[in-house]
Amino acid sequence: AQSVSQHNHHVILSEAASLELGCNYSYGGTVNLFWYVQYPGQHLQLLLKYFSGDPLVKGIKGFEAEFIKSKFSFNLRKPSVQWSDTAEYFCAVNEGYSGTYKYIFGTGTRLKVLA
Amino acid sequence: DAGVIQSPRHEVTEMGQEVTLRCKPISGHDYLFWYRQTMMRGLELLIYFNNNVPIDDSGMPEDRFSAKMPNASFSTLKIQPSEPRDSAVYFCASKGGELFFGEGSRLTVL
Repeated sequence: AQSVSQHNHHVILSEAASLELGCNYSYGGTVNLFWYVQYPGQHLQLLLKYFSGDPLVKGIKGFEAEFIKSKFSFNLRKPSVQWSDTAEYFCAVNEGYSGTYKYIFGTGTRLKVLA
Repeated sequence: DAGVIQSPRHEVTEMGQEVTLRCKPISGHDYLFWYRQTMMRGLELLIYFNNNVPIDDSGMPEDRFSAKMPNASFSTLKIQPSEPRDSAVYFCASKGGELFFGEGSRLTVL
């Protein structure tokens, strides 16, 4: 069965610091990968996605993620965080080409950015 | 489009009572998902539908939980009887191209 691991449960950074959140998945086949963000009191929103092609994916608000197939990883990065990036971040995976569309989410990483 | 609409936004009930959560997906979306979010377990997939048909309900925790999708514009998640450990935020999401989430229903079972 698929699973998604996010090893950083809580991250605290100062504004302008660089961010990297880890995400590893377990599935040997073709996958689609996603990062979602949940701002306090709001619903999840798509930050970026990877289906195929260039393994470096750019999303909204200056976020990017790199798919490294050999490491089963899809880490999220941002060079300089802002206070408004305080949120919970979820990595998700579903099987590519299977048509099941069963999205499996990691347990999330809570990011707090100090002004 | 108004997005995925869930009701109620907040529900407080007593143990043993029946709880019904409702979801209206985005028009034209053919997949609908129910997720449960807790601090301990994160975001868990409970069940999902394709064209109103349940495809995978392996995440439904117990027989106390049931979900239906009588038509393309409406789904319910029912808990009967409810227990305190069911307290969580329940999200509905629908998928056309991407997955769109509703605002969630925060359930507290006393």
